[in-house]
Amino acid sequence: DAKTTQPTSMDCAEGRAANLPCNHSTISGNEYVYWYRQIHSQGPQYIIHGLKNNETNEMASLIITEDRKSSTLILPHATLRDTAVYYCTFYYGQNFVFGPGTRLSVLP
Amino acid sequence: SQTIHQWPATLVQPVGSPLSLECTVEGTSNPNLYWYRQAAGRGLQLLFYSVGIGQISSEVPQNLSASRPQDRQFILSSKKLLLSDSGFYLCAWTGELAGASQYFGPGTRLLVL
Repeated sequence: DAKTTQPTSMDCAEGRAANLPCNHSTISGNEYVYWYRQIHSQGPQYIIHGLKNNETNEMASLIITEDRKSSTLILPHATLRDTAVYYCTFYYGQNFVFGPGTRLSVLP
Repeated sequence: SQTIHQWPATLVQPVGSPLSLECTVEGTSNPNLYWYRQAAGRGLQLLFYSVGIGQISSEVPQNLSASRPQDRQFILSSKKLLLSDSGFYLCAWTGELAGASQYFGPGTRLLVL
């Protein structure tokens, strides 16, 4: 029973915005949504998290739907270094549950 | 600032040999600590987590074990490695506050031959 659903892979042109969707229909009302990314052979890197309101930091923006069943991570100007696997996750019980994520390829 | 260390970075071990991977966190106290395993091209599988010294919860039954002898030290062990234990092992920590983000170490790549 997958807790999050993400596209397996996506391509994005360098300099364009990358929009990565995630469905998390089983999330409870007080759980945050978190996004991480993993570049090959490295540990996952925290990107951003949010509860209800949209969030923005120096790396990305996070848009959460009003019903909180889905969210979108936005990389406003993707670079080649943004090529990675992107995971959305949330606390389930006492722990994060990570799905297989979305492999984003930024193309020159 | 907080940092998390893991060692070794890579390890090649024969089947049946013991294993000890270490993780330490600096710059925080009372962290929640986690061990994950990642098979090639796959997502993260939670193995163990700990909310305090000597407190270990296991998520997946297997021939691995974990221990937390000190507040900021988390150890993953095995008495006899199997071929299926090969993978990328990641340690992570979170703070105690609700909604705290999880931060990962650089990982240990284990190859069992």
